[in-house]
Amino acid sequence: QSALTQPRSVSGSPGQSVTISCTGTSSDVGGYSYVSWYQQHPGKAPKLMIYDVSKRPSGVPDRFSGSKSGNTASLTISGLQAEDEGDYYCCSYAGSNTLVFGGGTKLTVL
Amino acid sequence: QVQLVQSGAEVKKPGASVKVSCRASRYTFTNCYMHWVRQAPGQGLEWMGIINLSAGTTNYAQKFQGRVTMTRDTSTSTVYMELSSLRSEDTAMYYCAGPGAEGVVTRFDYWGQGTLVTVSS
Repeated sequence: QSALTQPRSVSGSPGQSVTISCTGTSSDVGGYSYVSWYQQHPGKAPKLMIYDVSKRPSGVPDRFSGSKSGNTASLTISGLQAEDEGDYYCCSYAGSNTLVFGGGTKLTVL
Repeated sequence: QVQLVQSGAEVKKPGASVKVSCRASRYTFTNCYMHWVRQAPGQGLEWMGIINLSAGTTNYAQKFQGRVTMTRDTSTSTVYMELSSLRSEDTAMYYCAGPGAEGVVTRFDYWGQGTLVTVSS
């Protein structure tokens, strides 16, 4: 089980949109509609932001959206705000009750 | 409000074992699962494995096969993760994390506060 590939860092100014990619294989991202995204602030536990590729849990702003094409999933944050700064991780189901994370992306709000 | 409360920080010597607990409140053990995820200092999240809370069946990441054991005690709504033959690379924050719906294994809606395990001679 190899980690999914994410960019190490992305940045954007307040109000702008950013997209974080998450590339896997046909055995994980491409094979299932079970990609989730997590936000993590320093010293805190991760927080679920998107699940099942594009669904948002209750309480997550609609500025956060998810999509998938082939073996690559994406998280888009529109109307960037200062509190969106942090680390973001994708995670995919990989069959047989196993999951795999991406390496993480550091989002900086300029 | 679901709460996952983990045991406190541990310091272990190389070669030893550590057992971390995760007590769940307002979290159904019927047809539900719990995962364990770890994060080394300054590094990313790493999935370790999953336990079915009603059946007690487990599935571990290949990397941890033979070294990790996940169990549960339904009478106290507590899940355990034991990691043996510890080495310095196992120094990390260990999280229990649970899906928010019965029968779901594919996401982590709830997270424990984390347990820091330090492996040092």
